[in-house]
Amino acid sequence: DAGVIQSPRHEVTEMGQEVTLRCKPISGHDYLFWYRQTMMRGLELLIYFNNNVPIDDSGMPEDRFSAKMPNASFSTLKIQPSEPRDSAVYFCASSLLGTYTGELFFGEGSRLTVL
Amino acid sequence: QKEVEQNSGPLSVPEGAIASLNCTYSDRGSQSFFWYRQYSGKSPELIMSIYSNGDKEDGRFTAQLNKASQYVSLLIRDSQPSDSATYLCAARGSGGYQKVTFGTGTKLQVIP
Repeated sequence: DAGVIQSPRHEVTEMGQEVTLRCKPISGHDYLFWYRQTMMRGLELLIYFNNNVPIDDSGMPEDRFSAKMPNASFSTLKIQPSEPRDSAVYFCASSLLGTYTGELFFGEGSRLTVL
Repeated sequence: QKEVEQNSGPLSVPEGAIASLNCTYSDRGSQSFFWYRQYSGKSPELIMSIYSNGDKEDGRFTAQLNKASQYVSLLIRDSQPSDSATYLCAARGSGGYQKVTFGTGTKLQVIP
């Protein structure tokens, strides 16, 4: 399998612009997670889906952030409008989670810089 | 209080020594715990998982879990310079759904 695929790898944009990050999970995985990583706050969980349904979006910082998973093979994280404090590395991870098992497989991340 | 807490380090150990990394968690119902390694500029990768109280060994790595104290640790024996990375502790929450929360990570430096 190709692993979790994220795009774009790098994004530089100006404040106020819309940003869309994309993720293709590993085929057959039933959970998808979006994380944001900064030096100050570490790896923060933004939202996660189970079988394409959003389960917990309490980590989404504000209404400017939205995420969708229209099918089992695709998810987007959108920021509109973007702000400099949104600059971070955004990771998507997928997993097939049983009761006790379940490794998160991470994509390579999307590094976002908002000027 | 963060759900998973780690000392940010850096933790410096000489090559060949034992590195000890620690983590505490707040959700007493958490069932599964993980240690991920993250090299600079890369994504996290799983190195150990542990579900039961006690020790679990895999090569040079030993994970330890104490649910009564809500404490997880990772020991790296015979530390190598290639072990220099940030180590992230993660816990999977209780309940029907599987929220996975990470600590902020401990940076380990192995000095040749």
